[in-house]
Amino acid sequence: QITLKESGPTLVKPTQTLTLTCTFSGFSLTTTGVGVGWIRQPPGKALEWLAVIYWDDDKRYGPSLKSRLTITKDTSKNQVVLTMTNMDPVDTATYYCVRRPVRGANWFDPWGPGTLVTVSS
Amino acid sequence: EIVLTQSPGTLSLSPGERATLSCRASQSVSSTYFAWYQQKPGQAPRLLIYGASSRATGIPDRFSGSGSATDFTLTISRLEPEDFAMYYCQQYGSSPWTFGQGTKVEIK
Repeated sequence: QITLKESGPTLVKPTQTLTLTCTFSGFSLTTTGVGVGWIRQPPGKALEWLAVIYWDDDKRYGPSLKSRLTITKDTSKNQVVLTMTNMDPVDTATYYCVRRPVRGANWFDPWGPGTLVTVSS
Repeated sequence: EIVLTQSPGTLSLSPGERATLSCRASQSVSSTYFAWYQQKPGQAPRLLIYGASSRATGIPDRFSGSGSATDFTLTISRLEPEDFAMYYCQQYGSSPWTFGQGTKVEIK
């Protein structure tokens, strides 16, 4: 069974850096073609793809937040970490960790349950 | 960036009825690079369709996807009570991968 789970702070202050960890099981990020990514959803709004890291350590970022994001992996721990700098109240959202299951096909399955991050002073 | 526009915003139907959800892309998308997700309140999205028409594992056959280029459709042949939810389309043919704004299927 493949599972992913997000962890990190639920509340951050404006200008702080957010660090989220995705811990997964049931698959390996050393398998050719596999990727793990992050998607967020502000309350009541649509989904926004943020970043993905692939088995070969290739990384891709969404253009609107690229300058603020860093994604890394620790294959020994089955973890992927996303950092987002200079947090703002508009970054308040549920952040989801997702698996990209096969090479060349960037659909996402499954998703973690999500973690709500609130940005407020 | 490819913008996806879903219509209608809300679909009000009764159980047993057929639901047809549309997603239009601002640029042509390869038909193999299109997906649909279902999201229920308080839950994470769930993959329904990938490759425009392939059902994900465990998805009932009342869900079907079709379309090509800029116009894609998700059809639910007969709505079950558990199908009333939000639905999102996604294209992954061109980075950045983008999502539509969603269609809510509600009970009439």
